[in-house]
Amino acid sequence: RKEVEQDPGPFNVPEGATVAFNCTYSNSASQSFFWYRQDCRKEPKLLMSVYSSGNEDGRFTAQLNRASQYISLLIRDSKLSDSATYLCVVNRIGNKLVFGAGTILRVKS
Amino acid sequence: DTGVSQDPRHKITKRGQNVTFRCDPISEHNRLYWYRQTLGQGPEFLTYFQNEAQLEKSRLLSDRFSAERPKGSFSTLEIQRTEQGDSAMYLCASSFAEMGTQYFGPGTRLTVL
Repeated sequence: RKEVEQDPGPFNVPEGATVAFNCTYSNSASQSFFWYRQDCRKEPKLLMSVYSSGNEDGRFTAQLNRASQYISLLIRDSKLSDSATYLCVVNRIGNKLVFGAGTILRVKS
Repeated sequence: DTGVSQDPRHKITKRGQNVTFRCDPISEHNRLYWYRQTLGQGPEFLTYFQNEAQLEKSRLLSDRFSAERPKGSFSTLEIQRTEQGDSAMYLCASSFAEMGTQYFGPGTRLTVL
């Protein structure tokens, strides 16, 4: 079993839709949590950190449930430019990032 | 551009050859990380440095792999006697301090024929 598990998708949604991604992690010692975005053949880029209280950045909302070891990302009003792979990431001691395999999102007009 | 840079961006080599990649981190960042990403997977941690000290190596890093950061600035990753299974994207990231956000370079895509 992988340390970070994600639904690989792809999620094919129309513009304007709301889409939610889920992620689970197995190491309870994980210290911090992130969503990274990766465009095709490009490097991962930090989308947002995830906090237990939940946090929002524009159309993006992230939630963390430490008890269930579960992380989520909600994207509202999807844009064509949101099409990418979304990587769920946990951070272990030493600032070593552990990535999920990613969830592919395709937003269509 | 003051981001993380990597060179070369692409490398095609024959099995058995040695290859070396370079990473230049963001200038004030004292932590530098190497990751490897294969198709359909997320990046996997290989090794990291704090200044010039290599603090940890993953079990993924066989004895054919060696990484250095001699002056605490740029880093090199060398793969000796390349194998087809080494074909991947090699990503470098840097951060300021232990828990700082990691910023990734564009990667070096290695193809071993």
